[in-house]
Amino acid sequence: AQTVTQSQPEMSVQEAETVTLSCTYDTSESDYYLFWYKQPPSRQMILVIRQEAYKQQNATENRFSVNFQKAAKSFSLKISDSQLGDAAMYFCAYRSMAGNQFYFGTGTSLTVIP
Amino acid sequence: DGGITQSPKYLFRKEGQNVTLSCEQNLNHDAMYWYRQDPGQGLRLIYYSQIVNDFQKGDIAEGYSVSREKKESFPLTVTSAQKNPTAFYLCASSRDRVNQPQHFGDGTRLSIL
Repeated sequence: AQTVTQSQPEMSVQEAETVTLSCTYDTSESDYYLFWYKQPPSRQMILVIRQEAYKQQNATENRFSVNFQKAAKSFSLKISDSQLGDAAMYFCAYRSMAGNQFYFGTGTSLTVIP
Repeated sequence: DGGITQSPKYLFRKEGQNVTLSCEQNLNHDAMYWYRQDPGQGLRLIYYSQIVNDFQKGDIAEGYSVSREKKESFPLTVTSAQKNPTAFYLCASSRDRVNQPQHFGDGTRLSIL
């Protein structure tokens, strides 16, 4: 089974600054999908961004972007111009092309300091 | 609006009791999932189903059971064999296409009385 590792249990960032959350994964597959989810205190899981492994261009969604390094099996999330509403738990997830299973990291708790 | 509905939001279980968590989706998704979330442990897969009348065990299936009699519904029963059921439970669904993410319900918080 694939494993997803988020090595930063907690991170903090000043409002309006930039923060990067790290995610690494282990796989022998050549094609797959990667996702970042946000879980605010309401505990609702919200999709932030997605990346397909065969696409070299890094995905971007407004203030959120990824740095996808396929050879290094790294998929970090960059949040620019951080806002108070960005405070949440962030989960990295891997989806295999071979089936419907998703594999999640243990999450990073992000605090935004006013 | 399409979405996933989990009920109840809060549930209490007595010792030795089975309880059932409901999950209904109107997204016409083929695959459905149940996760357990404990502090510091992320999401752990309990069961998933790719199609009606078929389901597979996840990493922590012991003490749980599911059914998938309808495409829209995937109830989870927490049996008395599950000795530590206190957790937050999330139901999710996805289309059977690998570029599609999971959609999640709002969760059920289960506690022991």
